[in-house]
Amino acid sequence: GIQVEQSPPDLILQEGANSTLRCNFSDSVNNLQWFHQNPWGQLINLFYIPSGTKQNGRLSATTVATERYSLLYISSSQTTDSGVYFCAAPRGATNKLIFGTGTLLAVQP
Amino acid sequence: DSGVTQTPKHLITATGQRVTLRCSPRSGDLSVYWYQQSLDQGLQFLIQYYNGEERAKGNILERFSAQQFPDLHSELNLSSLELGDSALYFCASSEGQSAPSEQYFGPGTRLTVT
Repeated sequence: GIQVEQSPPDLILQEGANSTLRCNFSDSVNNLQWFHQNPWGQLINLFYIPSGTKQNGRLSATTVATERYSLLYISSSQTTDSGVYFCAAPRGATNKLIFGTGTLLAVQP
Repeated sequence: DSGVTQTPKHLITATGQRVTLRCSPRSGDLSVYWYQQSLDQGLQFLIQYYNGEERAKGNILERFSAQQFPDLHSELNLSSLELGDSALYFCASSEGQSAPSEQYFGPGTRLTVT
C-alpha cells in the first residue's frame, strides 16, 4: 500500500519566519489532504490538493503528482500556527486515508 | 467547525469495560470513517461506512465494532477495554464513498482506560 513520509519531523521557528513542510508519497494519488492538529487535539482541514497550487491566507500548498510530493508553505508564522501538520493520501480506490507521521511545529514569540 | 460532531469529548473508564462513541456526519455526507490516534501507532484508519453499509476495514480489533444508522449517524463500540486502547478516536465524513472525496474530521473523543 501507499507510504506517506513527512519532513522535517519537527521545526522551531521565531514568530514572523517562513517555513516549508514536505510530504512524499510512494504511489500516484488522486487525493491529498493537509491537516493541522492544534494543541487541543483538533484536526483542522487545511487543503484538499490532489495537484496544483492553492492558497489560503498565509498558507499555501503545492502538489506535484507526477513526482509524488506535496509542499505546505507557512509564511509570517504566528504562535497560533503551532501544532502538528499532517498530510494524508487515500489507499488505492478506497477513500481510507493513510497519514504521514507529521511535522511538529513550535512557533516562539 | 467542520460540521462533524462527536460525543462524548472525554471518556474515562476501567479495563474490561465497554464504551460507545457517537458521530454525526456533515449534512449531506453519506460516508463515515473512524480513525484511532495513539502515541505509538499514529493516526490509523479503522473502518468506513457508506449509507449504512460497511465499505472498508482497516486495523480494527475484533473487540471493536461499528455501525451506521438510517439517519447516517455512526457509533463505534469498544469492548473488553485494555490500557492500550487509550487513544484519541476521530470520526470523519465525506460526500462520496471512494477516492477522491475530501474528508472532514470531528473534534475527537479522548478515551482513557485505567
